[in-house]
Amino acid sequence: AQSVTQLDSQVPVFEEAPVELRCNYSSSVSVYLFWYVQYPNQGLQLLLKYLSGSTLVKGINGFEAEFNKSQTSFHLRKPSVHISDTAEYFCAVSGPGSARQLTFGSGTQLTVLP
Amino acid sequence: DAGVIQSPRHEVTEMGQEVTLRCKPISGHDYLFWYRQTMMRGLELLIYFNNNVPIDDSGMPEDRFSAKMPNASFSTLKIQPSEPRDSAVYFCASSLSEQGHYGYTFGSGTRLTVV
Repeated sequence: AQSVTQLDSQVPVFEEAPVELRCNYSSSVSVYLFWYVQYPNQGLQLLLKYLSGSTLVKGINGFEAEFNKSQTSFHLRKPSVHISDTAEYFCAVSGPGSARQLTFGSGTQLTVLP
Repeated sequence: DAGVIQSPRHEVTEMGQEVTLRCKPISGHDYLFWYRQTMMRGLELLIYFNNNVPIDDSGMPEDRFSAKMPNASFSTLKIQPSEPRDSAVYFCASSLSEQGHYGYTFGSGTRLTVV
């Protein structure tokens, strides 16, 4: 079984500042890793994913994440945030099997301040 | 593609009443998932189907919850009788098995309030 830990429940940051949202996972098998974003009163939208290959993954809206197998981490970063990035961000991991059932972290609320 | 469609968007009901949530997955997707989101417990997988067959319902909280998928384009999640602690946002998601590793497509959710 796999699990995901998002270390920060809330991250306030000023506009145009860089941000890092932390995610650690545990799994005894190879996994796929995802970041989803949820804007208020909306569903979850895929931000980026790591399947294999390059450990640096680029996603939508200028976000990127780095897979670190030795540290079992998949932190999300953006060099300069905008007010519109205010949302909740979920890290997720999937395990073996064709369904690749997703297990989500508890979420990190990113609030971008003017 | 209209994406995953859920209805209703909002539902307010009285304790003890039956509630039915609906989901239309993306055409051609063969996996369908029901998730529940609450402040206390985050996102929880309730049940998922493959080719309309329930595969794992271990996340269904109790017998008051039931889910069906009568065909590839429609699924329901029913709560009978409903209780205030069932208040949550319920999400439906679908995926294509060969592309399951690309993640799921989520609907916009149904916000359920039981008073």
